Amino acid sequence: GENVEQHPSTLSVQEGDSAVIKCTYSDSASNYFPWYKQELGKRPQLIIDIRSNVGEKKDQRIAVTLNKTAKHFSLHITETQPEDSAVYFCAAREYGNKLVFGAGTILRVKS
Amino acid sequence: SAVISQKPSRDICQRGTSLTIQCQVDSQVTMMFWYRQQPGQSLTLIATANQGSEATYESGFVIDKFPISRPNLTFSTLTVSNMSPEDSSIYLCSVGGENTGELFFGEGSRLTVL
Repeated sequence: GENVEQHPSTLSVQEGDSAVIKCTYSDSASNYFPWYKQELGKRPQLIIDIRSNVGEKKDQRIAVTLNKTAKHFSLHITETQPEDSAVYFCAAREYGNKLVFGAGTILRVKS
Repeated sequence: SAVISQKPSRDICQRGTSLTIQCQVDSQVTMMFWYRQQPGQSLTLIATANQGSEATYESGFVIDKFPISRPNLTFSTLTVSNMSPEDSSIYLCSVGGENTGELFFGEGSRLTVL
């Protein structure tokens, strides 16, 4: 089955700097790669996703890139703000619409 | 996106007891999933709840421990049976977007087993 690795496990950045979180996946058949943000005590919220026929997608300060050949995808957050502080999870969809999640990255934005 | 309601939102349970978590969706969905999130950990899929047939369990999860019901296209329950402290987790119901494949989560049920 699919295996997703996520790095780093924690990331501290200064407000206004950029943050990058990287994930690799194992199953070349996976075709959908979402990113979730989970604030303390809350449910995971989908923030951006990318499908395997697209190399990059952007939504305001957030962007995701996908390299199918290398089987890795990354989340980029520019101009970070304190409210970006949360745990971020990447995921990959394998057969049956199931999502396999990475271990998560704790992002701290220092003001 | 679908509106997903879960209850209870939290509970404190005694070792050896069982608890049933309910998940209600505001629209008919083909696939419903149950995830577990242990403290400080990622999300792990327990099973896929299929309407009209038995749930499909992931490796490491069995029906006797986590029986699931799916009586219709808007409702599912997950029971955590014979609980031990190791079952203390957040249990999350999720549904997939029928056309987009996106996955949305309920608020979660935080269980503490003493």
